[in-house]
Amino acid sequence: DAKTTQPTSMDCAEGRAANLPCNHSTISGNEYVYWYRQIHSQGPQYIIHGLKNNETNEMASLIITEDRKSSTLILPHATLRDTAVYYCIVRIREKTSYDKVIFGPGTSLSVIP
Amino acid sequence: DAGITQSPRYKITETGRQVTLMCHQTWSHSYMFWYRQDLGHGLRLIYYSAAADITDKGEVPDGYVVSRSKTENFPLTLESATRSQTSVYFCASRALSGNTIYFGEGSWLTVV
Repeated sequence: DAKTTQPTSMDCAEGRAANLPCNHSTISGNEYVYWYRQIHSQGPQYIIHGLKNNETNEMASLIITEDRKSSTLILPHATLRDTAVYYCIVRIREKTSYDKVIFGPGTSLSVIP
Repeated sequence: DAGITQSPRYKITETGRQVTLMCHQTWSHSYMFWYRQDLGHGLRLIYYSAAADITDKGEVPDGYVVSRSKTENFPLTLESATRSQTSVYFCASRALSGNTIYFGEGSWLTVV
């Protein structure tokens, strides 16, 4: 699995957009970018994923650069409930026996009133 | 919708004892995972399983044993618990072609 690097922590004002970056410079052509988040003491929660096009769902938007070496998760209007650790991971989505799903340390996002 | 459940949720045990953490999922998901989470380390993969009777090591497998005789169960055993295994343990599962990995609520284990 390709490794990812994320900032250790970030702050965001409530109501503003939170932009969380992720570098995955060694990503290969068949690997997808996934984002999960973990609110304190709970299991991680899926947010969004993408291959090369930008994606949007009810929770967030995912912007992937053209060379696919980095991406940004955007929470358009951050609320206090968005305070969590955000994990960016890359993995092969196809049927495979080798889907280890490795999480890095993630980014701790604090939404400030 | 029972989902994925872990037991026990909280456990205190003594060094050297054998401990088994249970994980059960009701979706017949092919993949199951065990992670541990310690302060400052994020989630680290211990073992994973692609199907019944197929298991493989993750990042930190030493000191742990797993089995998967049935699709729905994936127990994690600490054969001789050590203080360094004090942690929060998360079980997870996903369908073979699924995007979403579903996590259990976690098992808090303290080894004294």
